[in-house]
Amino acid sequence: RKEVEQDPGPFNVPEGATVAFNCTYSNSASQSFFWYRQDCRKEPKLLMSVYSSGNEDGRFTAQLNRASQYISLLIRDSKLSDSATYLCVVNPVYSSASKIIFGSGTRLSIRP
Amino acid sequence: NAGVTQTPKFQVLKTGQSMTLQCAQDMNHEYMSWYRQDPGMGLRLIHYSVGAGITDQGEVPNGYNVSRSTTEDFPLRLLSAAPSQTSVYFCASSTTSGRWGNIQYFGAGTRLSVL
Repeated sequence: RKEVEQDPGPFNVPEGATVAFNCTYSNSASQSFFWYRQDCRKEPKLLMSVYSSGNEDGRFTAQLNRASQYISLLIRDSKLSDSATYLCVVNPVYSSASKIIFGSGTRLSIRP
Repeated sequence: NAGVTQTPKFQVLKTGQSMTLQCAQDMNHEYMSWYRQDPGMGLRLIHYSVGAGITDQGEVPNGYNVSRSTTEDFPLRLLSAAPSQTSVYFCASSTTSGRWGNIQYFGAGTRLSVL
């Protein structure tokens, strides 16, 4: 089983729709979680951190479910500019000696 | 603010040639890493470092060497390039503590073609 798994998509939704996708992780000791956005042929950039209590940033909401070992990203009122690949990131343990694991990404395409 | 700087941006090599991809960061980050990304694929970790003098292997280390003699620099060496190493290479760095701990900052990438 991969350490971090994402549905590759693509998710193709109309502008204004709400879309959500999940990312599952295998190490129950994982401590920190993030969502990144990657535009075509560009470097990934941080979208938001994922906190235990959940967090919201405008149209974006991130949730963590430790019991089921997944994180989620919800995008409301989607815009054409939201079209990108969304990568989840999991840090296995809260230690400077651990490697940071990226999911393979979920492609999102917003259509007019 | 320079952040993470990768050079070169593009490179074409012939099979068997060697080269070094450069990565430098000016944020005094302890953690640095190299990823490769093939078309339509996610990021695969090649090597990482948690500080000067300390490196470790990621998922796909074969054919690549790294060293970390300073906090700022983390070069990736291709010993004998193969067509299978054609990819986009990203370098990233992060601090490991505090509010911004483990947030990865990426360079713009090096697009490598091996003929």
